[in-house]
Amino acid sequence: QVQLVQSGAEVKKPGASVKVSCKASGYTFTNYGISWVRQAPGQGLEWMGWISAYSGSTKYAQKLQGRVTMTTDTSTSTAYMELRSLRSDDTAVYYCAKGSETYSDFDYWGQGTLVTVS
Amino acid sequence: QSVLTEPPSASGTPGQRVTISCSGSSSNIGSNYVYWYQQLPGTAPKLLIYRNNQRPSGVPDRFSGSKSGTSASLAISGLRSEDEADYYCAAWDDSLSGVVFGGGTKLTVL
Repeated sequence: QVQLVQSGAEVKKPGASVKVSCKASGYTFTNYGISWVRQAPGQGLEWMGWISAYSGSTKYAQKLQGRVTMTTDTSTSTAYMELRSLRSDDTAVYYCAKGSETYSDFDYWGQGTLVTVS
Repeated sequence: QSVLTEPPSASGTPGQRVTISCSGSSSNIGSNYVYWYQQLPGTAPKLLIYRNNQRPSGVPDRFSGSKSGTSASLAISGLRSEDEADYYCAAWDDSLSGVVFGGGTKLTVL
């Protein structure tokens, strides 16, 4: 069965960086993309970007351009999302999600990683 | 302020039919597929509807999606207590070159 298992909660100081991992299993990792979506406390969902696990090509949300980097390690079927220059409004649960046919099609999700900036 | 507009709340009694709307523009809903996600309290979102009106395997046929022009809607028939959740619509936006979500609708089963 498809599973996405994310790394544990993080607490960071403003200005620091955070790197969240997402280990995939149960499917051919390089056949699909991975998107990252975040959710601030009590708020809605915000798309952060997408990476092709096959080619490594990326698409980032305009709002986060320059602060976010998404990468993959095909040898371990793991995706990474690094966010730099953290601010208090980056406090959120960060989800990875497996893509399917389009950029908006997230058919499996990780359990989420809480990143607290304080 | 979300690019896609959903009502913040909706409610119904068990067995009723409820509809949640999602309004967008020509650059998102008007020219791309709409997706719906269900988020139960304290859990990750789950894909409910893809390509406007398709259900993934395992999603009950009580859930249905539709799209017309720059708007879409999610209908839930035979409402059950376990349907109490937040519902989000999503679509690709050609102008923003990114995925946009609605603000979410909190569904309460009375």
